[in-house]
Amino acid sequence: SYVLTQPPSVSVAPGKTARITCGGNNIGSKSVHWYQQKPGQAPVLVIYYDSDRPSGIPERFSGSNSGNTATLTISRVEAGDEADYYCQVWDSSSDQGVFGGGTKLTVL
Amino acid sequence: QVTLKESGPVLVKPTETLTLTCTVSGFSLSNARMGVSWIRQPPGKALEWLAHIFSNDEKSYSTSLKSRLTISKDTSKSQVVLTMTNMDPVDTATYYCARIQGDYSGNPNDYWGQGTLVTVSS
Repeated sequence: SYVLTQPPSVSVAPGKTARITCGGNNIGSKSVHWYQQKPGQAPVLVIYYDSDRPSGIPERFSGSNSGNTATLTISRVEAGDEADYYCQVWDSSSDQGVFGGGTKLTVL
Repeated sequence: QVTLKESGPVLVKPTETLTLTCTVSGFSLSNARMGVSWIRQPPGKALEWLAHIFSNDEKSYSTSLKSRLTISKDTSKSQVVLTMTNMDPVDTATYYCARIQGDYSGNPNDYWGQGTLVTVSS
């Protein structure tokens, strides 16, 4: 089955840019969605179809997808961005959804 | 507004069957362009996709859990039901239901329920 690989953790200082990667075989041919999950809360969709932002999500959140890596970029990071972030794709070959292992973003 | 709410037992015994209900509002399960997913998360671990169902009754299941899962819907009650047989302590997790906007499996989950924690223990 299809595997998505994320770094377990990323640390960034406030005001800087955080980049969270999601690796998968030829992931650039798939549509990637990103979710933010804060402790004790349900996930929230922050990026869909690689780079689209739902209404209400700050423009600081952006996404890209090419080759074997998709990337969630958070510009001008704030303390409130500290959370776990998950990437997700649909694997049509096995007809199932797949989540990455999640990345804990720490704001220093 | 769109809401989803999971309900079911807090505690189940090993080998028992778990039945979870997702009650939705703000959208209709008979809408030709809507679906509902079930996703779980063991304590301190990652999200795991389980299954989804669309308004046309199209269903998909996790290949690793397919033999144990059944998803169904009751449009008149605005409910989606997930059953999981032969529960084991490793199935202890928070179970979420989430809406899929559109009739394509690759669409994102744009609204999520609050989740319900299910513990498997004798």
